[in-house]
Amino acid sequence: KAGVTQTPRYLIKTRGQQVTLSCSPISGHRSVSWYQQTPGQGLQFLFEYFSETQRNKGNFPGRFSGRQFSNSRSEMNVSTLELGDSALYLCASSSGTGDLNTEAFFGQGTRLTVV
Amino acid sequence: GEDVEQSLFLSVREGDSSVINCTYTDSSSTYLYWYKQEPGAGLQLLTYIFSNMDMKQDQRLTVLLNKKDKHLSLRIADTQTGDSAIYFCAEGGGYNKLIFGAGTRLAVHP
Repeated sequence: KAGVTQTPRYLIKTRGQQVTLSCSPISGHRSVSWYQQTPGQGLQFLFEYFSETQRNKGNFPGRFSGRQFSNSRSEMNVSTLELGDSALYLCASSSGTGDLNTEAFFGQGTRLTVV
Repeated sequence: GEDVEQSLFLSVREGDSSVINCTYTDSSSTYLYWYKQEPGAGLQLLTYIFSNMDMKQDQRLTVLLNKKDKHLSLRIADTQTGDSAIYFCAEGGGYNKLIFGAGTRLAVHP
C-alpha cells in the first residue's frame, strides 16, 4: 500500500508570491490534515479535511487555505508569502471518519523556502 | 487549554534503555502517540496508546500511560545508534487534529 505522497518536496518562492502544495493520502483514507513545522514554533496544526469539508482549523491567518477533492487528494495554498512562512509543511492521512482521533500517517513533507 | 510538554534532550549509551517523558493537558484525548523524525524526513508513527490502557508493548518499545497525572512515557530497550532522532509526543485533539510537544532529541553514543 502506497504511503502519503506530498509534492513537490522542495520549493523556493519569493515574498509576495503564492504557492500550492499537494498531498495524496493513503488509499481509502478520507481525512487529510496539514501541519507547519518550524524551528521556533514546532509542529502546528493548520487544518483538517474530510470528504471535501474542512472540519477543523488551527490558528493561522486567512492567507493559508486548503481544499480537498472527491478522490481525497488535498491541496493547501499560501498567498502573499512572507519570510516567516518558510517551513516544512507536513500532510497526514487518517482513516478516521468521526470526531475522534485515529492513527495518522505522515508524508515526507514539502520544504518551502521564502526569499 | 491544549498543551504537550517534553524534555528537549536525552543522551544515552548504546545498549542502554532510553525513557522519554511527556505530559499533556487534555484528559479527553482518546489516543496518545509517539512519532519519530529523522533529519530531513517526515514523521514516522512509532506507536500509540488508547486512553483506557495503562501500557502497550511493541517489540523494543514500551508505552506507559498515567491518566491521573496525564503523563506518557516511551521506553526504548537496547537503544541503538539508528534510534538517534527527534521523538514527538502527541495527543489527539479531535477530528484527527494532533497537538505535538516540542520534541525530544535522542542522542545515542557508543
